[in-house]
Amino acid sequence: EPEVTQTPSHQVTQMGQEVILRCVPISNHLYFYWYRQILGQKVEFLVSFYNNEISEKSEIFDDQFSVERPDGSNFTLKIRSTKLEDSAMYFCATISGEQFFGPGTRLTVL
Amino acid sequence: GEDVEQSLFLSVREGDSSVINCTYTDSSSTYLYWYKQEPGAGLQLLTYIFSNMDMKQDQRLTVLLNKKDKHLSLRIADTQTGDSAIYFCAESKAAGNKLTFGGGTRVLVKP
Repeated sequence: EPEVTQTPSHQVTQMGQEVILRCVPISNHLYFYWYRQILGQKVEFLVSFYNNEISEKSEIFDDQFSVERPDGSNFTLKIRSTKLEDSAMYFCATISGEQFFGPGTRLTVL
Repeated sequence: GEDVEQSLFLSVREGDSSVINCTYTDSSSTYLYWYKQEPGAGLQLLTYIFSNMDMKQDQRLTVLLNKKDKHLSLRIADTQTGDSAIYFCAESKAAGNKLTFGGGTRVLVKP
């Protein structure tokens, strides 16, 4: 069964550093999403991406965040200058009818 | 805005039925989902229901939707220890739209 994959599974970074989280969506899916889950809190929508552009973003998704589909397969989330409060699980999801989630990347900002 | 609420915790004995409840506020919610999250893992889609349905059954899982009260429930029959996890309900306006999640219900199955 095809699945969404994410790398790395865990990323530790220093505050102020840039991080890039990677996702490989299911190949024939057209919509891509990033969500995050701060420990013990709700899963929150960050951004949706369709046809190589952002279709919707939440107020969390500020100028520090960007998304890209650099090579037609990977879908990346970049955080330009990480803050302590960016520590969370970041989930990529893709859709073909239903939303399928990747296993997540745990980001720890020190 | 949209809001989805769930109770925090449910404890159930192995072999009994579990019922997890969820309420939502947005009457334009079209798709309602149940996801399962095991420790350290991602979100696994269990089942979903369209807003024009009252009930959906899938093996041990039964979803009930009361659209008037904006209440969704997930019943797990013959609950097993492997069902111990956090269960999230979520809603979206249409296929391709973002999901809005509840806070999750932690289900603990006791032998």
